[in-house]
This record gives sequence, C-alpha cells and structure tokens, in this order.
Amino acid sequence: AQSVTQLGSHVSVSEGALVLLRCNYSSSVPPYLFWYVQYPNQGLQLLLKYTSAATLVKGINGFEAEFKKSETSFHLTKPSAHMSDAAEYFCAVTPANQAGTALIFGKGTTLSVSS
Amino acid sequence: KAGVTQTPRYLIKTRGQQVTLSCSPISGHRSVSWYQQTPGQGLQFLFEYFSETQRNKGNFPGRFSGRQFSNSRSEMNVSTLELGDSALYLCASRWTSGQTYEQYFGPGTRLTVT
Repeated sequence: AQSVTQLGSHVSVSEGALVLLRCNYSSSVPPYLFWYVQYPNQGLQLLLKYTSAATLVKGINGFEAEFKKSETSFHLTKPSAHMSDAAEYFCAVTPANQAGTALIFGKGTTLSVSS
Repeated sequence: KAGVTQTPRYLIKTRGQQVTLSCSPISGHRSVSWYQQTPGQGLQFLFEYFSETQRNKGNFPGRFSGRQFSNSRSEMNVSTLELGDSALYLCASRWTSGQTYEQYFGPGTRLTVT
C-alpha cells in the first residue's frame, strides 16, 4: 500500500527566505510523485512531477523537488519565497505500475509568507 | 485550451436528499477522476472513469456513484445525503496516451449538507 507523510502542517517563512516543505512516501513499488498547490477556494494546480526520469525536478513558479529513493523523500524547495506563494501544498503518490489512476495525497502543508 | 470545469460551484442540500455534480474534462482527456476533500480526512479518491467505464473505486459507500458520457463528461451522484458528506468535491482529468500521468483538477464543487 502507498502512503504519504507531510511533516509540518504549517510552515511560516519570511519573504525572500528559503522554502522547504517535506514529503516522505511509502510504496511497495516504484512510485510516481507529484506536488500540487491549492489557493483558497480553488482546485489543485500541478507544481511538478517525478516519473522516474531526472531525480531533480523543476516545476512552475521557481519550485523544485528532489527524489531520494534511499530516504523515500520528495521534498519541495524554493530558494526565495514570495508573498504569492502563500497557499496549501499537497504531496501525492501513485504506483508506477498503475500510473494515472488514484492519487494518494498527504494531509497538506499550509505555507505562510510574511513581509 | 480550457481547463476542467465543474458545475455547480456551490450547493446546499438537506440531509436525506440526493445531489448530482457535473465535470467537463479538458478537451481530449478521456479519463476523469473524482476526489473528496474534507478538513478531517483530507483528499480521498472516489472513483475513476475511462471510456464510460469505472476503472477504479475508492473506499466509499454505495451512496456515491458516478458515470461518464461518450463525450467524456462525467457526473457523480450522492444519494441519501448525510451531514458528513459536506465537502469540496474535485474532479480531475488526464491524457490516457503516452507517458503522461499527471491529473489536472477543476475548481471543485462545495457541497454543504444541513
């Protein structure tokens, strides 16, 4: 069975500071991994995806994530936070041999950015 | 290209009633999945439809059902509504050819059961 753990339900940073949102997964088969962002009263927007190509994945809005198999992690980073990054972020996994079907989501991390 | 659209955006129903939610996928996407989002349980998979057939189903009671039409549009139905069905219901669509696995989400339908 697959599962996702997002460490820290709430992360606060100052504008211009490094953003680090943590995601660890559990999967019995090679996974595909995704980060989504959700702004208030909106759906989910795909930030980036890992599908067994390069382990360092670059996404939209300056975000990137690194797949580390030995640590079963897929942490999301951004070098310099912007006020517009304040939102809720979700890490999700799907087994590679069932790719494209059900996404298993973490509980989410709310990112606050202060000026 | 237009994104995933969901109607209605907001809905208020009374316990015991039934409700139907609609989802139009991105043009060319043939797979549609539904998710329920609540503060307590987070995001949970309901079911996926492809070519008018349910391919995968999450752990929800039979009161939750869906269907897909030949134009890939999908509806989900919840019968005998309970207070706990209050949630944001999200629809997602994806390509089903090639090496693409990401799902694209609509804005959701906010269902409130009173």
